[in-house]
Amino acid sequence: KAGVTQTPRYLIKTRGQQVTLSCSPISGHRSVSWYQQTPGQGLQFLFEYFSETQRNKGNFPGRFSGRQFSNSRSEMNVSTLELGDSALYLCASTPGLSGNNEQFFGPGTRLTVL
Amino acid sequence: GQNIDQPTEMTATEGAIVQINCTYQTSGFNGLFWYQQHAGEAPTFLSYNVLDGLEEKGRFSSFLSRSKGYSYLLLKELQMKDSASYLCAVRPLGGYNKLIFGAGTRLAVHP
Repeated sequence: KAGVTQTPRYLIKTRGQQVTLSCSPISGHRSVSWYQQTPGQGLQFLFEYFSETQRNKGNFPGRFSGRQFSNSRSEMNVSTLELGDSALYLCASTPGLSGNNEQFFGPGTRLTVL
Repeated sequence: GQNIDQPTEMTATEGAIVQINCTYQTSGFNGLFWYQQHAGEAPTFLSYNVLDGLEEKGRFSSFLSRSKGYSYLLLKELQMKDSASYLCAVRPLGGYNKLIFGAGTRLAVHP
């Protein structure tokens, strides 16, 4: 079974631009969560999508948004990039049903904002 | 809200046993997770506890005390490849698959 894939793996943008990151979950998994990882703040939850609906959101500004498609693939978008948005963005997939405990992480997209 | 504390760094010797502690304060709790993350790689799932007690999985064990807000990860027969960061995470009640992570403990295993 293929794992979680994320594209692109590396991205360099400048302040003010916007960026879209993509995540394809494990086949059959319906829940996709997004996390931001930085050396200073660690892993922080951004949002979770299940069956095309956002069902949980972390404490990030509205510049961070996401969506999920009918095939469970998910995208997140960051608009008006700031230097502090430089981070590793990880997505994790689970089957999505309650009681399923293991989240499988993708390799991440490393975003650098100049 | 949630507050999760774990030591920043630990060192240990190959073949030894190491215990990584995690304390948490939470307004609602629905399970505690341990993840391993090697430098430059994605976190990988190690263990899950929701009831008090010890869960054993090969060389790794995890313990939870809900009344004390305390967990530990025990690594036995340490190998060099166990050098990694170990992340403690809490799933809040009603949070679906949302995880609140601690800052992680960087473990260095020496020969």
